[in-house]
Amino acid sequence: AQSVTQPDIHITVSEGASLELRCNYSYGATPYLFWYVQSPGQGLQLLLKYFSGDTLVQGIKGFEAEFKRSQSSFNLRKPSVHWSDAAEYFCAVAITNAGKSTFGDGTTLTVKP
Amino acid sequence: DTGVSQNPRHKITKRGQNVTFRCDPISEHNRLYWYRQTLGQGPEFLTYFQNEAQLEKSRLLSDRFSAERPKGSFSTLEIQRTEQGDSAMYLCASSREGNEKLFFGSGTQLSVL
Repeated sequence: AQSVTQPDIHITVSEGASLELRCNYSYGATPYLFWYVQSPGQGLQLLLKYFSGDTLVQGIKGFEAEFKRSQSSFNLRKPSVHWSDAAEYFCAVAITNAGKSTFGDGTTLTVKP
Repeated sequence: DTGVSQNPRHKITKRGQNVTFRCDPISEHNRLYWYRQTLGQGPEFLTYFQNEAQLEKSRLLSDRFSAERPKGSFSTLEIQRTEQGDSAMYLCASSREGNEKLFFGSGTQLSVL
């Protein structure tokens, strides 16, 4: 069965600083890969997804992620963080159906003024 | 696009009682998913429907849990004889077959006392 590891439970960055959230997955082949954001009281929102092709994918809100097959990683990045980016971020993998995803345990992002 | 709607937002119940949650997906979405999320963890897949057919159930879904989607539109998730371990956020998501983008509702927070 596939698994997802988000090594950082909590990250704090200053507003305007760059951000990288780590995600590693375990699966024999290349799965579908996703990043979601969850704000308090809100449902999860898809930031971006990777199925195939270009390993650098662009998402909403200025986020991007890079798939590295050799490292089984799909790290999320943003060059300049805004206070409104404070939220919980989840990496997820799926084999065939995006709705049957396996999620990591999330990384909570705090943004300092 | 009115989004995925879940009711109620919060449910407090006593151990041993039955509870039912409702999910209204985006109207043109034929796939509907239920997830469970506990504090500090990512969502865990429970079950999914394509139209009115329940195509898969996770082994997390014990016999006390039942889900229906009678007309291929809204869905209900019932938990019988609730236990304290059932306390969690229950999330619903929907998608259109062939489009691997999930839309999540805000969830129903269940507290079993």
